[in-house]
Amino acid sequence: AQSVTQLDSQVPVFEEAPVELRCNYSSSVSVYLFWYVQYPNQGLQLLLKYLSGSTLVKGINGFEAEFNKSQTSFHLRKPSVHISDTAEYFCAVMDSSYKLIFGSGTRLLVRP
Amino acid sequence: EPEVTQTPSHQVTQMGQEVILRCVPISNHLYFYWYRQILGQKVEFLVSFYNNEISEKSEIFDDQFSVERPDGSNFTLKIRSTKLEDSAMYFCASSQGPLYSNQPQHFGDGTRLSIL
Repeated sequence: AQSVTQLDSQVPVFEEAPVELRCNYSSSVSVYLFWYVQYPNQGLQLLLKYLSGSTLVKGINGFEAEFNKSQTSFHLRKPSVHISDTAEYFCAVMDSSYKLIFGSGTRLLVRP
Repeated sequence: EPEVTQTPSHQVTQMGQEVILRCVPISNHLYFYWYRQILGQKVEFLVSFYNNEISEKSEIFDDQFSVERPDGSNFTLKIRSTKLEDSAMYFCASSQGPLYSNQPQHFGDGTRLSIL
């Protein structure tokens, strides 16, 4: 069965610093991976996705993620964060039934 | 940009009562989903719906739950005989195509369901 692990429940970082949010997955089928962001009191918004092709995927708001098959990882990165990036970030994998399996989320807390 | 809209934003219901959560997916979307997020836990898939029938459901989605597309615009989740553990944020999502196509799921802002 597919699963997603986000080891960091919370990541504090200062404004303008780089950040990496970690995601590891297990999947026995073709791997489709996603990162979603959830701002307070809002729904989930797609940041980026990997379906095939280039392993470096660029998304909205300056985020990017790299698919690493050998390490079964799909870490999310941003070179310089803003206060407005404070949110919950969810990594997800598509399972064999074409539904999303989410990780437990990482709260990114950007401090001035 | 078109949005998925959910009503109400917050629903408070007595245990044992029935509740209906409403969603209006994006108009040209064909695939519809419900997810649940219990406070402090991960987002969990409940059900997917396509061509007027359930295409996939999780083990959470038992006989207590049902979904319906009563007209061309609404997509509802009904929870019968609610329990305390049904308290959660419920998200509706829709997509133009299946997940494995290049068609992302668009999520609503959620309905917070509180069972007393």
